Amino acid sequence: GQSLEQPSEVTAVEGAIVQINCTYQTSGFYGLSWYQQHDGGAPTFLSYNALDGLEETGRFSSFLSRSDSYGYLLLQELQMKDSASYFCAVRDHKDSSYKLIFGSGTRLLVRP
Amino acid sequence: DTEVTQTPKHLVMGMTNKKSLKCEQHMGHRAMYWYKQKAKKPPELMFVYSYEKLSINESVPSRFSPECPNSSLLNLHLHALQPEDSALYLCASSQARDSTYEQYFGPGTRLTVT
Repeated sequence: GQSLEQPSEVTAVEGAIVQINCTYQTSGFYGLSWYQQHDGGAPTFLSYNALDGLEETGRFSSFLSRSDSYGYLLLQELQMKDSASYFCAVRDHKDSSYKLIFGSGTRLLVRP
Repeated sequence: DTEVTQTPKHLVMGMTNKKSLKCEQHMGHRAMYWYKQKAKKPPELMFVYSYEKLSINESVPSRFSPECPNSSLLNLHLHALQPEDSALYLCASSQARDSTYEQYFGPGTRLTVT
């Protein structure tokens, strides 16, 4: 089966850098996605890593190590509006399924 | 246009009612999804449509009935729901099933079953 682990909560100060980790166990692996969801809002796609390494998109970067079954989302120059839940996700490999499996989510609180 | 729209935003229904949730996208995406999300939990997949055909049904109770009238529209028909069905119902789309890693979500319908 598939399972993902990420911390339940992270707190950081405005302007700082925070890293949200995600480890996964899968029978097959295509890549790791990250989504952001504000309270009361919809999940928003942030990034996708299929290959090892760091992908940068503005203040957000995402990293993947396939050999370690590990990835992280790096948020720089934190702003209050970054307070949200962040989900890592993998594609289910079972039976050629096209289901996205989400981690339980990390709630990020940015303090002034 | 990277928008997925959903109506209604809020819905309160009794256990004997019949109602429908609607979802629309105009991005030319050929895969569409229904999710259920409880507070402080990740989205939970219910159904996947690919090229207007039901691709995945995650053993969802028959009181939830999906419909895909065309490539832009997705409906979820509700009948005889239970209070535990109260949740945020999210619609999403992706370019194709193979692009499931990059989904675009609508704002959701907040459903309360009384």
